[in-house]
Amino acid sequence: GENVEQHPSTLSVQEGDSAVIKCTYSDSASNYFPWYKQELGKGPQLIIDIRSNVGEKKDQRIAVTLNKTAKHFSLHITETQPEDSAVYFCAASPTGNQFYFGTGTSLTVIP
Amino acid sequence: DSGVTQTPKHLITATGQRVTLRCSPRSGDLSVYWYQQSLDQGLQFLIQYYNGEERAKGNILERFSAQQFPDLHSELNLSSLELGDSALYFCASSVDSRRDTEAFFGQGTRLTVV
Repeated sequence: GENVEQHPSTLSVQEGDSAVIKCTYSDSASNYFPWYKQELGKGPQLIIDIRSNVGEKKDQRIAVTLNKTAKHFSLHITETQPEDSAVYFCAASPTGNQFYFGTGTSLTVIP
Repeated sequence: DSGVTQTPKHLITATGQRVTLRCSPRSGDLSVYWYQQSLDQGLQFLIQYYNGEERAKGNILERFSAQQFPDLHSELNLSSLELGDSALYFCASSVDSRRDTEAFFGQGTRLTVV
């Protein structure tokens, strides 16, 4: 089955700086890569996603890049704010029957 | 608010007992997924239903079962509960079962087995 690895597990940045989270996947059949943000006590919230026919996607301060050849994708958050502090999960979907999640990155934005 | 509703939010029960977790998917979504989240295991896929039929099974224990009803809500039944079953249980839904379809998660049910 698919194996998704995520790094780093924890990340601290100063407010206003950028944050980058990286994921790799193993199954070349995966063609959909969502990112979720999970705040304490809440469910994962879909924040951005990318499909394999696209190399980059932006939504305001958030961007995701995908390199299908290397089987890796990354989340970029610019101009970080304290409310960006949360756990972020990447995921890959090879079949549509389930999502394979990374182990999460705990992001702390220091005011 | 994702539109996915899970009840109850919290559940405390004793070992050996049986509980039922309920999920109402977003309006129009036919596919429901159940995930377990524990500190040491991350988000683990349990089972998926699509329009009332089981589509995929993950690491779901034999003590656990699920179903999706004609009105598309789903229930996850956990029986003979053990301390190690304490976790957050999430339901997610999507429009269909294609591999590139967005899935939206509910707020979860926190199960504590004592």
